[in-house]
Amino acid sequence: NAGVTQTPKFRILKIGQSMTLQCTQDMNHNYMYWYRQDPGMGLKLIYYSVGAGITDKGEVPNGYNVSRSTTEDFPLRLELAAPSQTSVYFCASSSGGAGGPRDTQYFGPGTRLTVL
Amino acid sequence: DAKTTQPPSMDCAEGRAANLPCNHSTISGNEYVYWYRQIHSQGPQYIIHGLKNNETNEMASLIITEDRKSSTLILPHATLRDTAVYYCIISYGGSQGNLIFGKGTKLSVKP
Repeated sequence: NAGVTQTPKFRILKIGQSMTLQCTQDMNHNYMYWYRQDPGMGLKLIYYSVGAGITDKGEVPNGYNVSRSTTEDFPLRLELAAPSQTSVYFCASSSGGAGGPRDTQYFGPGTRLTVL
Repeated sequence: DAKTTQPPSMDCAEGRAANLPCNHSTISGNEYVYWYRQIHSQGPQYIIHGLKNNETNEMASLIITEDRKSSTLILPHATLRDTAVYYCIISYGGSQGNLIFGKGTKLSVKP
């Protein structure tokens, strides 16, 4: 069981470039999440998915897009990179999301993105 | 969703118990208390959760007051590897189940 894996680990983008952050989980979890963490701050939810084909916005979705074609994969797309998107991005998954015990989320190791 | 208040930092001597407090005075009856930690540069790690009763697992103990307005995470024998930021989180209770992370408590375990 690899858990939640993320690629790449590090990336430097120029302003206006685009890229996709990959996230895969092998625990057959229905719920998946993307968070960002700015230096010295807590995590903020970008997007989440409750199952294949279903996604919804979190607290800070602007500038990002997601898709969920399979249970395992939940890629995050940055279309026009901006310096404000410099952050560490974490993907997570859980078996359920309606509060209570199913809020045990398993996190990936993160992707460090710098936009110059 | 209920908000939490945690001290920004705490120190603990290696081998001693670390007691991390959290206030959540607006918690509602069906919301759980969750604790996660984040060791430098890594993804957050689940520690423990509870509703009303005290809970214990291989990592920690969680003590929730009878009125549920505060709780304490206890690491019984802190080691240097327990140095991390600890987050107290009240489960959102919404359909998406996202966790609201605040700034947490930076625990420094010293030799």
